[in-house]
Amino acid sequence: GESVGLHLPTLSVQEGDNSIINCAYSNSASDYFIWYKQESGKGPQFIIDIRSNMDKRQGQRVTVLLNKTVKHLSLQIAATQPGDSAVYFCAENNEAGRRALTFGSGTRLQVQP
Amino acid sequence: DAGVIQSPRHEVTEMGQEVTLRCKPISGHDYLFWYRQTMMRGLELLIYFNNNVPIDDSGMPEDRFSAKMPNASFSTLKIQPSEPRDSAVYFCASSLPPGGAYGLYGELFFGEGSRLTVL
Repeated sequence: GESVGLHLPTLSVQEGDNSIINCAYSNSASDYFIWYKQESGKGPQFIIDIRSNMDKRQGQRVTVLLNKTVKHLSLQIAATQPGDSAVYFCAENNEAGRRALTFGSGTRLQVQP
Repeated sequence: DAGVIQSPRHEVTEMGQEVTLRCKPISGHDYLFWYRQTMMRGLELLIYFNNNVPIDDSGMPEDRFSAKMPNASFSTLKIQPSEPRDSAVYFCASSLPPGGAYGLYGELFFGEGSRLTVL
């Protein structure tokens, strides 16, 4: 099912290549960041998270980089597979004491076989 | 191990009708969130509960929207009366409390969503 905007940025990569999805955030006070993956017709699924006192965190085939100087977050996916095709959202916790995430608009990743 | 369960998955209704969306969080999770996803606005937090108590409802659009959590295993989001602009996918999510060395937040587990169309 359609879950995101018609004008969603799209990244198209070949299977086996590495993917880099970028996200800019606006609030320098944000202290926690998270990446979610959303496949068509499904709810967002957690990928990886990072606190603001770190600049890099690695998971299985994924790495998140945080550059607080320019308020930029990226998600790197190694050896991209067709199953990685989805919309990817970054989210931030930017209100102290309020346990809520603000989601970005998303990037669609298309993996070409 | 069941995830977050939402019902109905799809609902089509006419303007002015009452809509009730239901959510069963993961057992043991004491935070529950309702999000709305639209093409124009993306994912927006509507309200969240902790231990069945509403903590923050500042995202609820207007008085036509209400949410309840009568017990730890059930929550409802009600729209009365519904309007065409309420058409969206409504997600429920649950989580454990923050904790541990990393634990500012705690991973949110989302349900599959309820797609609402108001004609």
